[in-house]
Amino acid sequence: DAGVIQSPRHEVTEMGQEVTLRCKPISGHNSLFWYRQTMMRGLELLIYFNNNVPIDDSGMPEDRFSAKMPNASFSTLKIQPSEPRDSAVYFCASSFGIGDTEAFFGQGTRLTVV
Amino acid sequence: QKEVEQNSGPLSVPEGAIASLNCTYSDRGSQSFFWYRQYSGKSPELIMSIYSNGDKEDGRFTAQLNKASQYVSLLIRDSQPSDSATYLCAVNAGGADGLTFGKGTHLIIQP
Repeated sequence: DAGVIQSPRHEVTEMGQEVTLRCKPISGHNSLFWYRQTMMRGLELLIYFNNNVPIDDSGMPEDRFSAKMPNASFSTLKIQPSEPRDSAVYFCASSFGIGDTEAFFGQGTRLTVV
Repeated sequence: QKEVEQNSGPLSVPEGAIASLNCTYSDRGSQSFFWYRQYSGKSPELIMSIYSNGDKEDGRFTAQLNKASQYVSLLIRDSQPSDSATYLCAVNAGGADGLTFGKGTHLIIQP
C-alpha cells in the first residue's frame, strides 16, 4: 500500500483565496483524521471521520474551515477565505479504529497564506 | 479540555546513553497511549503503543505507563544520532475520542 496520500505537498496562496487540501487514506482504514501543526500550538486535531461520517469537528477553528468525506477513499479540507494565520502544515491520518489503534500519517501539506 | 504535557527541550544526550522522555496527561479516563517520532520536515511515525500499567519493551525502546500518576514515559537505550528527532506523546481517552498530542520533546543525540 502507498500509505496515506496528501496533495498538494506545498501550497502558497494569497489571503482571501479558497484553499482545498486532499487526502486519500490507506485502503481498508475506516477512520480519517485532519490535523494542523504549528510551532506554537503543536499538532491539533481539527476533525475526524469514522465510516465517512464526521464524528467530532470541535477542533475546526472557525466557519472558514470545512471538511468532507464523500467516500471511503477520499477526503477534503477546505479553507475559504484563507488568512495568513492559517499558515501551517496540515496532516491527514487514517486508522482502523478511532483512537485505540495506530494512526498512519500522510506527508502533509505545507500551506503558506501571504 | 484534555491536555497532554511534555517538556519541549531540547534534551541533549550523549551517544550510547539512555534518553528518557516524559509525558503527563489530564484525563484520568485515558486508555491508549502512543509515542510518535517526527524528524524535521517529516510526518509523525508510531514507535510505541502501551495500554496497561507497567513497561513494554521493543528493541531499544521501552514505554512505561503509570495510570495512577497519569504519567507515561519513553526510554531509548544505546542512543544513536539517528534518534535525534521530536518525540510526540499521544493519548486517547477512549470511546469516540481521537488522539490528543503533546507538543513534543526535541531530542538531540550528541556523537
